[in-house]
Amino acid sequence: NAGVMQNPRHLVRRRGQEARLRCSPMKGHSHVYWYRQLPEEGLKFMVYLQKENIIDESGMPKERFSAEFPKEGPSILRIQQVVRGDSAAYFCASSPPLGGSYGYTFGSGTRLTVV
Amino acid sequence: GENVEQHPSTLSVQEGDSAVIKCTYSDSASNYFPWYKQELGKRPQLIIDIRSNVGEKKDQRIAVTLNKTAKHFSLHITETQPEDSAVYFCAATEDNFNKFYFGSGTKLNVKP
Repeated sequence: NAGVMQNPRHLVRRRGQEARLRCSPMKGHSHVYWYRQLPEEGLKFMVYLQKENIIDESGMPKERFSAEFPKEGPSILRIQQVVRGDSAAYFCASSPPLGGSYGYTFGSGTRLTVV
Repeated sequence: GENVEQHPSTLSVQEGDSAVIKCTYSDSASNYFPWYKQELGKRPQLIIDIRSNVGEKKDQRIAVTLNKTAKHFSLHITETQPEDSAVYFCAATEDNFNKFYFGSGTKLNVKP
């Protein structure tokens, strides 16, 4: 079992560009969550998705950020027109259908740097 | 929503000593409390967890205690070793809700 796979591990974007972060959940997991970690801070919930459905996006900034989890393929977190404040580590987690506390597993994260 | 506070932000101990990290939460509906260890540049890894129907749980040198009335829970590491040095995060959630609220982290430094 390869675990939760995130890519790329590191991403550098210039201000105004788009950033696309990908997350493939563990085999058998149908729930995906995205968290953002600013330097020296804890993880902050952004969005919770199931296949083709956004369940909870209460932590997503209102503009420039979007997430999807299509029927086929990985979950994508998209940040349009990136700004310096978007620089952070973005972690994806997945869990089986039973619920988050049962086997909630994090990926290795994508470290986004906006220059 | 839930608010989780964690103290201290940094903790330095001598190898072999014990370390205690404390967290408080605000939402009485929270009933699952995991602790994660994050080494520099790596993913958070679950080290121990506790559910609200239990007051204490141990796993070798690590233990977690929960006081539901006071809404606080603590991580205890005994006989600390240099490889315990990392950032530790507490979190709280409702068991069926899937959104974790994290504390701000404690940077533990174990001096050899």
